[in-house]
Parts: sequence; structure tokens; C-alpha cells
Amino acid sequence: GQNIDQPTEMTATEGAIVQINCTYQTSGFNGLFWYQQHAGEAPTFLSYNVLDGLEEKGRFSSFLSRSKGYSYLLLKELQMKDSASYLCAVTDSNYQLIWGAGTKLIIKP
Amino acid sequence: ETGVTQTPRHLVMGMTNKKSLKCEQHLGHNAMYWYKQSAKKPLELMFVYSLEERVENNSVPSRFSPECPNSSHLFLHLHTLQPEDSALYLCASSQGGGDPWNEQFFGPGTRLTVL
Repeated sequence: GQNIDQPTEMTATEGAIVQINCTYQTSGFNGLFWYQQHAGEAPTFLSYNVLDGLEEKGRFSSFLSRSKGYSYLLLKELQMKDSASYLCAVTDSNYQLIWGAGTKLIIKP
Repeated sequence: ETGVTQTPRHLVMGMTNKKSLKCEQHLGHNAMYWYKQSAKKPLELMFVYSLEERVENNSVPSRFSPECPNSSHLFLHLHTLQPEDSALYLCASSQGGGDPWNEQFFGPGTRLTVL
């Protein structure tokens, strides 16, 4: 079966760095997305990786290793507003988008 | 504001009621989606419309009936629902006829409670 694994919850301190991991087992691979979802709000797009390596966008970076079926989202200089759920999603060989259950990130002062 | 609106934001209904959820996108996209989001579970794709034609129907019970009258509007008609259908229902849209590498823009969702 197809599976996306990510930690259920993580806690970090304001100003620090946190890495949210995502591992996947899917039938084929056509790209990996990260979305951010604040409580009670819509998910919003953060990043898309289809090639191995690191993509940097300001304080957020996303890394992909296709051979390992692994990605991470790196958040630097954490702010209280970064408290949210982070959703990992993979497009498989049938171009179906498979979603993880999300990682709830709690930022403490 | 993501350019995708959903109404109502909250809905409480009995198992014998009939109601409809509405989604509207103001982004000029040509693909629209319905998702179900339950607590601590992955997003479940329910339906996909590309260019106003349904292209995906992931074994969703017939008590959920989608309608896409044009590329900007999407409805989800509900009837004789079960308590386990209580969840957040999210609408999304994307460009490119539903090409999977295009990011999806989500609405704020309708929180549905079935009594």
C-alpha cells in the first residue's frame, strides 16, 4: 500500500531551528509537496520538490532524497506564527496525490 | 485569503437532512477538488473536476453527490449522512487541468457535524 509517515507533533522554541521529516512509500514518484495549515484555516502551499536536493525559500527550506524516499522541511528563526500543522504530500506514478496526516508544530517562547 | 471561498463555514445536520456545501474560486483555475479532513488523519480526496468534467471519484459513498456547473463553482450535495461523516470538508482549485505538479489553493473549509 501507499504510505506517508511524518511525526504527529513536534515542539520547538522561538528563534530556534526545527526539521520536520517525511518518509514515503508510494507506487512511483512525481513530486513532493509541503503545505502549512494553521488551526481552523486552509492549507497553503509551501514548496514542491521533484529533484534531489535542497530548495530554499527564505526561512523555509525543503529537501528531497528520492533514493531514500525521504524529505524534510527545515524552518529557521522560528516565530510564534509558525505554530501550525505541516502536511507532506507525494504524487505517485498515477498522478494521485497521497497525503500524510500532518505534523503539528508547537512553538514556545 | 487564498481566492477560494466556501459556505457555510459550519454546518450541523441530522441524518435525515439534505444540505449542500458550496465552493467558489476566483483564480481562473480549471480544476477543482473536494477533500475530507478528519482529525489526525490524512486528507482524503473525494472528487476531482477538470474542465468541469469529473475525473476522479475515490469510492465515495453515494450519499455525497458533487456538482460542477462551471469552472468557478463546485457543490457537494449531502443526504442521509452518518455521524462518521462529521469532518472538515475542504475545497481546492488548481491550474493546468488538475496536473499534479501544480499547487492547489484551498478554501477555509466547512466544519460538518452530523447528529
